[in-house]
Amino acid sequence: GNSVTQMEGPVTLSEEAFLTINCTYTATGYPSLFWYVQYPGEGLQLLLKATKADDKGSNKGFEATYRKETTSFHLEKGSVQVSDSAVYFCALSDRGGGGADGLTFGKGTHLIIQP
Amino acid sequence: GAVVSQHPSWVICKSGTSVKIECRSLDFQATTMFWYRQFPKQSLMLMATSNEGSKATYEQGVEKDKFLINHASLTLSTLTVTSAHPEDSSFYICSARDRTGSSYNEQFFGPGTRLTVL
Repeated sequence: GNSVTQMEGPVTLSEEAFLTINCTYTATGYPSLFWYVQYPGEGLQLLLKATKADDKGSNKGFEATYRKETTSFHLEKGSVQVSDSAVYFCALSDRGGGGADGLTFGKGTHLIIQP
Repeated sequence: GAVVSQHPSWVICKSGTSVKIECRSLDFQATTMFWYRQFPKQSLMLMATSNEGSKATYEQGVEKDKFLINHASLTLSTLTVTSAHPEDSSFYICSARDRTGSSYNEQFFGPGTRLTVL
């Protein structure tokens, strides 16, 4: 079956540090890949996505590249801010792609940015 | 736009009772809604896909008679946990799929409902 593995937190960084949150996946088909973010007290929000190999998703300074050869979709940001503190979920969908159907999620990574 | 609400945000009930959780798309029509369950420090796990006007599709291992889903309108889906037991205690999250505009096919998530069964 499908699965998503992401690094467990909490991850604590200082403001302006470089961020990497690793995510690898197992899927039977050709999945679409997503990063969701959950701020305290709020629902999950789509951060970025990639629907095919070598695509790069980007948003709000975050980016992730769909690497089929390593089955990875690592999240990166060059300079984090305190406001980036949240829980980040890596997810995949392989039922037609494009986020059309139910998602398989990783466990989530709690990111804490200190001033 | 694209806001999804859940009610209640938390509920405590006695073992053996039933609990209904509502999921509403506030500013768009959702032909499809999804229900997820999250245990502490675990992934969100898809429980079922709810389609407006038809029966829900349950994931393997999810008891459909235990978790009743009704999607009677384009803006409302309900999840009823019947005869709840302590092992049903969890965080239940819904999402709704918007078929219109620039967010075509994107899922929008509710804030979740914390269920505690005593």
